[in-house]
Amino acid sequence: KAGVTQTPRYLIKTRGQQVTLSCSPISGHRSVSWYQQTPGQGLQFLFEYFSETQRNKGNFPGRFSGRQFSNSRSEMNVSTLELGDSALYLCASRQDRGNSPLHFGNGTRLTVT
Amino acid sequence: AQSVTQLDSQVPVFEEAPVELRCNYSSSVSVYLFWYVQYPNQGLQLLLKYLSGSTLVKGINGFEAEFNKSQTSFHLRKPSVHISDTAEYFCAVSTANQAGTALIFGKGTTLSVSS
Repeated sequence: KAGVTQTPRYLIKTRGQQVTLSCSPISGHRSVSWYQQTPGQGLQFLFEYFSETQRNKGNFPGRFSGRQFSNSRSEMNVSTLELGDSALYLCASRQDRGNSPLHFGNGTRLTVT
Repeated sequence: AQSVTQLDSQVPVFEEAPVELRCNYSSSVSVYLFWYVQYPNQGLQLLLKYLSGSTLVKGINGFEAEFNKSQTSFHLRKPSVHISDTAEYFCAVSTANQAGTALIFGKGTTLSVSS
């Protein structure tokens, strides 16, 4: 079974631009979560989507948004990029059943210049 | 609110030595606990999880962890490490009603295994 796939792997953007990251979950997984990883703040939860609805949200500004499509694929968007948005963005999926764990993708490395 | 503290940012050990990576958590409600490993340029891989039941949890690659409710700890152990265990290790917690989502992670512990 294929794992969580994130595209692109690397991205360089300029301050003020916007960016969209993509995530394809493991087949059959309907819950998709996004995390930001930086050296200073570590891993921080952004949001979770289930059945095309945002079910949970972390403490990030409104510039960070996401959506989920009917096939469970998810996109994350960051508008008006700031230098501090440079990070590894990780997507994770899980079966929405019991206490099944998160399965992470390899991430998208975003660099804002 | 929940929080996770990984007590050591770096742990250097020699190959075949035992290792313990320490994790303490803070929560006013029941929690689920996880250990993940991250190799360079990769995402996180689940090592083991504690949901309920036996306090000693066995995971992949020979790792195990013990849940201690009175000390609010969930330390990760391996009796004999290999060079290939060199990686960053993250302890994480979620509350029972989050069912394994919205994880709160510790800052990570870098395990360096040398020969």
